[in-house]
Amino acid sequence: KAGVTQTPRYLIKTRGQQVTLSCSPISGHRSVSWYQQTPGQGLQFLFEYFSETQRNKGNFPGRFSGRQFSNSRSEMNVSTLELGDSALYLCASSLATSKVYEQYFGPGTRLTVT
Amino acid sequence: GQQVMQIPQYQHVQEGEDFTTYCNSSTTLSNIQWYKQRPGGHPVFLIQLVKSGEVKKQKRLTFQFGEAKKNSSLHITATQTTDVGTYFCAGLRAGGTSYGKLTFGQGTILTVHP
Repeated sequence: KAGVTQTPRYLIKTRGQQVTLSCSPISGHRSVSWYQQTPGQGLQFLFEYFSETQRNKGNFPGRFSGRQFSNSRSEMNVSTLELGDSALYLCASSLATSKVYEQYFGPGTRLTVT
Repeated sequence: GQQVMQIPQYQHVQEGEDFTTYCNSSTTLSNIQWYKQRPGGHPVFLIQLVKSGEVKKQKRLTFQFGEAKKNSSLHITATQTTDVGTYFCAGLRAGGTSYGKLTFGQGTILTVHP
């Protein structure tokens, strides 16, 4: 079974631009969560989607948004990029058949904002 | 909001020594998960603990969930160089609509000297 894939793997953007990251979950997984990982803040939860609905979100500004498509693929968008948005963005998929579930992470997208 | 504290931040051991990392949550958890991230890699799911006082073993790794479901530990016996990486705990808050909102600890970076 193929794992979680994320595209692109690396991105360099300038301040003020916007970016869209893509995540394809493991086949059959309907839950996709997004995380931001930085050396200073660690892994921080952005949001979680299940069957095209955002079920939960973390404490990030409205510049961070996401969506999920009917095939469970998900995208996240960051508008008006700031230097502090430089990070590794990870998505994780899960079966999420109940509240108790394990997450499978993709390799991440390394975003650098200059 | 919910906080998950993990100690120590760093641990250097000689190959063959034991290693333990501890995780404490500010709120009661419905479950706790442990992940390992190798340098340059992404988090990989290790285990999930659900029941109060639960103890699970995976070869040289022993995981415990506290009686109050607010703390957990991971113990590695006789470390090997392949154990190198960052170990994260991640808690799912009990009650409410916490779907997918895992709160990660800061992680413990384990270095094993041969």
